[in-house]
Amino acid sequence: AQSVAQPEDQVNVAEGNPLTVKCTYSVSGNPYLFWYVQYPNRGLQFLLKYITGDNLVKGSYGFEAEFNKSQTSFHLKKPSALVSDSALYVCAVRDISGAGSYQLTFGKGTKLSVIP
Amino acid sequence: DGGITQSPKYLFRKEGQNVTLSCEQNLNHDAMYWYRQDPGQGLRLIYYSQIVNDFQKGDIAEGYSVSREKKESFPLTVTSAQKNPTAFYLCASSKEQGKGNQPQHFGDGTRLSIL
Repeated sequence: AQSVAQPEDQVNVAEGNPLTVKCTYSVSGNPYLFWYVQYPNRGLQFLLKYITGDNLVKGSYGFEAEFNKSQTSFHLKKPSALVSDSALYVCAVRDISGAGSYQLTFGKGTKLSVIP
Repeated sequence: DGGITQSPKYLFRKEGQNVTLSCEQNLNHDAMYWYRQDPGQGLRLIYYSQIVNDFQKGDIAEGYSVSREKKESFPLTVTSAQKNPTAFYLCASSKEQGKGNQPQHFGDGTRLSIL
């Protein structure tokens, strides 16, 4: 079985400060990992993914994420937060070695508020 | 521009009524999905389809039905058997090519409420 956890329901950060949104996962094999952003009453927008290779993945809008296999984590980061980054951030995992390999499991999401 | 179009944006259901949510994509994607989003919960998979004329139940298929007669279209019917249909419904698609490493692309959702 695959699962994903986002331990923080909400993260507050001042504009211009670095931000981190945490994600941990559990799979029996190797993971594919994804980050999405959701604005109110909108669908999810893809930010970045980890498939294989370099543990530091760069994505859209200046976001990046670091894959850590020993800690089973895939935290989302940005060096300098913007007010417009305020949104719900959702982590998702897929176990590439198991059955139902096309299904993603999504976290509950972390609401990021960037304070001017 | 390519994308996924969901309609309507808001929908109200009366007691005992079936309603159908539309999802159309022009991304030439093979796979399509329906999710339900409730406050404080992760997205839950209702149905998915990897190819035309074939679809599989997800984790919460009871009270829902789908069809996939065309590659571009994957409508979801919320039947009267679904006793708690109030939620935000999201349709997604992806270009699966065997390895499952493609991201899913989402529409802007339909918010369904009970009258």
